[in-house]
Parts: sequence; structure tokens; C-alpha cells
Amino acid sequence: DIVMTQTPLASPVTLGQPASISCRSSQGLIHSNGKTYLSWLQQRPGQPPRLLLYEISNRFSGVPDRFSGSGAGTDFTLKISRVEAEDVGVYYCLQATHFPWAFGQGTKVEIK
Amino acid sequence: ELPLVESGGGLVQPGGSLRLSCLASGFSFSHYAMHWVRQAPGKGLEYVSTISTDGGSAYYADSVMGRFTISRDNSKSTLFLQLNSLRPEDTAVYYCVKEIPGTTVFDYWGQGTLVTVSS
Repeated sequence: DIVMTQTPLASPVTLGQPASISCRSSQGLIHSNGKTYLSWLQQRPGQPPRLLLYEISNRFSGVPDRFSGSGAGTDFTLKISRVEAEDVGVYYCLQATHFPWAFGQGTKVEIK
Repeated sequence: ELPLVESGGGLVQPGGSLRLSCLASGFSFSHYAMHWVRQAPGKGLEYVSTISTDGGSAYYADSVMGRFTISRDNSKSTLFLQLNSLRPEDTAVYYCVKEIPGTTVFDYWGQGTLVTVSS
């Protein structure tokens, strides 16, 4: 099974400053159809997860453009260009290329 | 928001059973594969199970294989998860999740229903 490893596990950030989260998979995530099913999810306190980005870098409907994704193969990154108070929460990467689907451990973003 | 409303959670003794439901509305339920994902208290997300659009194919995480059964009733836009032989480590919030058709992108999540397994 694929293992997804996120770093850091906690990220204290100053409002208005950037934040970056890394996600590494134990195997490549390119599907046989050529797509890479690597998503990023945000979970605000007390809320269910919410899709932010899919297929590495595509922003989901309603997601602000301060969120961006990049990467290929086994290394992926979520960047928040300028952290706002509403961005506090836990961020998860998810691979859904190879069954069983697997989540990263989560990265907690908090304001300094 | 696209509502997915889970129900059926509660307190159950080890070895017991529960049936979770997820009522979908606002989209053509029968056209979408559906998933269950769980989250133990204070922990991360764990994939549980997937069912195809017509219910003909089902997939499970090793941790629940043989104990949980996913099913759906497209006429009632409802997804189910039958939980048998429950263990304390099954204690979690169970989320119903929709995917974008033809992909494995989990685009909408329900609010979740809490299952507590304890004596």
C-alpha cells in the first residue's frame, strides 16, 4: 500500500505570510489514464473536510487563488500565498490513484 | 452546498452492529460512485469503502474487510454502510463522500455521524 508522508506536521504562520506543506508518496501517482489523483483537503475546526485542490494543481469551485498546488511523481506541495485567519485548520493530501486510497497524516496550520 | 446527510451513528458495544445511512440530494445520485471515510477522535482521515454507481462493485480497506458492507438504493438516493463485529478501534466520525464522475476526486463531504464502540 502507498504511504503518504506530510511535512511539517504543524506550521505556525504569521497572518499575511506564506505557508507551504509538503506531501511525499511512497510510489509514483500517475494513473494509467495519465492523470495524477493527488488532492489537497482542508479541515477547519469542527468541520468536515473540504476539497481545495485536485489532480495536483486544479482549484476546486470557490477556492481562493491564494491556494496553489504543484509537484509530480512522488513529491507534491500545497502553498498558501498569504495566510488569512480563516485558513486555520488541518490540511491533508490524498492519493486516489492506486487502491487503497491513502491520506497524509495531516498538517496543522495555526496563527503565531 | 451539496447536501449529504449521514445518520445512524451511536453508542454500541464491542461485537455489535450499526447501519449508517447517507441521504443525498441536489444531484443525480445514481450517476456517482460514493465513498465512506472515517476519522477517529483527534486523529486523521482513513479511507473505508467505495461503491460503484450501480452498486455492482464494492471496495474496502483491509481494516474493515469482512466486517463492513457498503450498499446503495438509487431509488432513494441513499448510501449505506453496515458495520458488524464492531471493535473499539472503529470509534470514529464516518463521512459520506461523493466523487467527481470518472475520477477519484472526493469533491463533497457530508457532516459525518459519530460511531462509538465501548462497553
